[in-house]
Amino acid sequence: EPEVTQTPSHQVTQMGQEVILRCVPISNHLYFYWYRQILGQKVEFLVSFYNNEISEKSEIFDDQFSVERPDGSNFTLKIRSTKLEDSAMYFCASRDSVYNEQFFGPGTRLTVL
Amino acid sequence: SQQGEEDPQALSIQEGENATMNCSYKTSINNLQWYRQNSGRGLVHLILIRSNEREKHSGRLRVTLDTSKKSSSLLITASRAADTASYFCATDPLTQGGSEKLVFGKGMKLTVNP
Repeated sequence: EPEVTQTPSHQVTQMGQEVILRCVPISNHLYFYWYRQILGQKVEFLVSFYNNEISEKSEIFDDQFSVERPDGSNFTLKIRSTKLEDSAMYFCASRDSVYNEQFFGPGTRLTVL
Repeated sequence: SQQGEEDPQALSIQEGENATMNCSYKTSINNLQWYRQNSGRGLVHLILIRSNEREKHSGRLRVTLDTSKKSSSLLITASRAADTASYFCATDPLTQGGSEKLVFGKGMKLTVNP
């Protein structure tokens, strides 16, 4: 069964460093999302992406964040200068154009020291 | 106010019993989705119910939706120890030009004791 994959599973970085989180959505899906979950808290929407552009972003998604679909399969989230409060589990999700179910990847745990 | 509040926050039952989780939300929605998350792992999609549906079944899962009360319930019948996880409801708010982002509740921790 097709699934969303994410790499790395765990990323440790120093405050101020740039990180890139990678996702491979399900191949026939057209809508892509990033969410995050701070430990013990609820899952929060960051950004949605369709037709090679951001369709919606949350207040969390400030200038330090960017997304890209560099090729036909990858979808990336870049954090330019990480802060301690960026430590969280980051989930990528995708859906097709017909059904509304969003399928999530296993997540990348980001730890900022 | 929070969109998607699960109730109860935690539930502990014996294997074989049924588990019912409730979710309330604030705004009009396109659909509501339930997810399961095992500790520290990813979100597994369980079931989606559209705003014009009242009830839906999938295996041992039964979901109801009452849009007049802005609430949903997830029933897991004949629970198993493997059902132990956190369960989240997530709403797709009805917004003009929206991207079908999901708004999650805080989650409910279900423990099924063998």
